[in-house]
Amino acid sequence: DAGVIQSPRHEVTEMGQEVTLRCKPISGHDYLFWYRQTMMRGLELLIYFNNNVPIDDSGMPEDRFSAKMPNASFSTLKIQPSEPRDSAVYFCASTTGGGNTEAFFGQGTRLTVV
Amino acid sequence: GQSLEQPSEVTAVEGAIVQINCTYQTSGFYGLSWYQQHDGGAPTFLSYNGLDGLEETGRFSSFLSRSDSYGYLLLQELQMKDSASYFCAVRLSNSGYALNFGKGTSLLVTP
Repeated sequence: DAGVIQSPRHEVTEMGQEVTLRCKPISGHDYLFWYRQTMMRGLELLIYFNNNVPIDDSGMPEDRFSAKMPNASFSTLKIQPSEPRDSAVYFCASTTGGGNTEAFFGQGTRLTVV
Repeated sequence: GQSLEQPSEVTAVEGAIVQINCTYQTSGFYGLSWYQQHDGGAPTFLSYNGLDGLEETGRFSSFLSRSDSYGYLLLQELQMKDSASYFCAVRLSNSGYALNFGKGTSLLVTP
């Protein structure tokens, strides 16, 4: 398996624009997580899905953020409208659950909002 | 609330042993994990402690004391490539696998 695949790797956008980040989890993994990493706040859990269903979105900072998982092999994180404070590295991760404790992370999307 | 405390920076010499501590205060606890992250890279899994005691994986070991809300990562025979950030993370529930991460410890290994 190629691992968790995220796209794009880098995104630069202007404030107010819509940004969509994409993630393909490892095949067979039942759980998918979106994390955000900044120097100030570290790695924060934004939302996670189990079998394509959102389980906990309490980490989503505000209504400008939304996430979907239309099928087992694809998820998106959308920011609309984007703001400079959204600049961060966004990671997607997946795991099998069922006693497995290792989460596999994608390479991340570095988002810069100017 | 949730809090995980770990030192922000540690420096050690190649070949030495270093211990990175982690204390946590969380509303739920099901296990403690450790992840490594090199600059510009993704976090990668190192170890997991679900029960008290020591887990050993090659040069790396991890320890957990649930009664003390404390754990540590022990790195032996340090190599230059071990220079990275190390994160402890708490698994909050046995019904899900979401992780709450500490701020990370930046380890610098010097010659």
